[in-house]
Amino acid sequence: EVQLVESGGGLVQPGGSLRLSCAASGFTFSSYAMHWVRQAPGKGLEYVSAISSNGGSTYYANSVKGRFTISRDNSKNTLYLQMGSLRAEDMAVYYCARDRTTMVRGGLYYYYMDVWGKGTTVTVSS
Amino acid sequence: DIQMTQSPSSLSASVGDRVTITCRASQSISSYLNWYQQKPGKAPKLLIYAASSLQSGVPSRFSGSGSGTDFTLTISSLQPEDFATYYCQQSYSTWWYTFGQGTKLEIK
Repeated sequence: EVQLVESGGGLVQPGGSLRLSCAASGFTFSSYAMHWVRQAPGKGLEYVSAISSNGGSTYYANSVKGRFTISRDNSKNTLYLQMGSLRAEDMAVYYCARDRTTMVRGGLYYYYMDVWGKGTTVTVSS
Repeated sequence: DIQMTQSPSSLSASVGDRVTITCRASQSISSYLNWYQQKPGKAPKLLIYAASSLQSGVPSRFSGSGSGTDFTLTISSLQPEDFATYYCQQSYSTWWYTFGQGTKLEIK
């Protein structure tokens, strides 16, 4: 079964740090780019970060750039999100998701997130 | 940045109704548009990718259409399990897969 399981969430004080993990199973992890998406309480989905299949390329939303670092260990089938200088507005459920690329019409490739974890909750509070 | 705007933000409908949700992009995104369903306390679930391709295992009452800047998600006959929040997402910008603000579909 294809599965993503997040862990590492918890309560942290403003300005603190936390590392999230996403353990993948049931597929060849090293063949897929991966994403982190978050959802603040009662709010919509916010795209946070992405990493290429080999870890050589990364992307960050402006809201987390310089504070968060995405990485992966393909030998351990695990994705990470190192979060620093945490703020109240970082409080959210954090989901990891698999990037899928599929050729559809006219030989064009399309991109989407086809597998999601159940999420891990980050609470930022003093 | 490509902004995605959904309408309406919320919608009340009855079982058996035909429902349409609209998503508009701030610039042309060709067909790089995906739809997700999210139920309370659960992770999002992919419904439609590439604007109109149905994800495996998703009921055929769900359909998507559109290209360029205007897109729609249609549920042909609402079922009780369809009451949820729906999000559109553009994947035109490499890895900058921004989401719409969501449309909450509630039971009338």
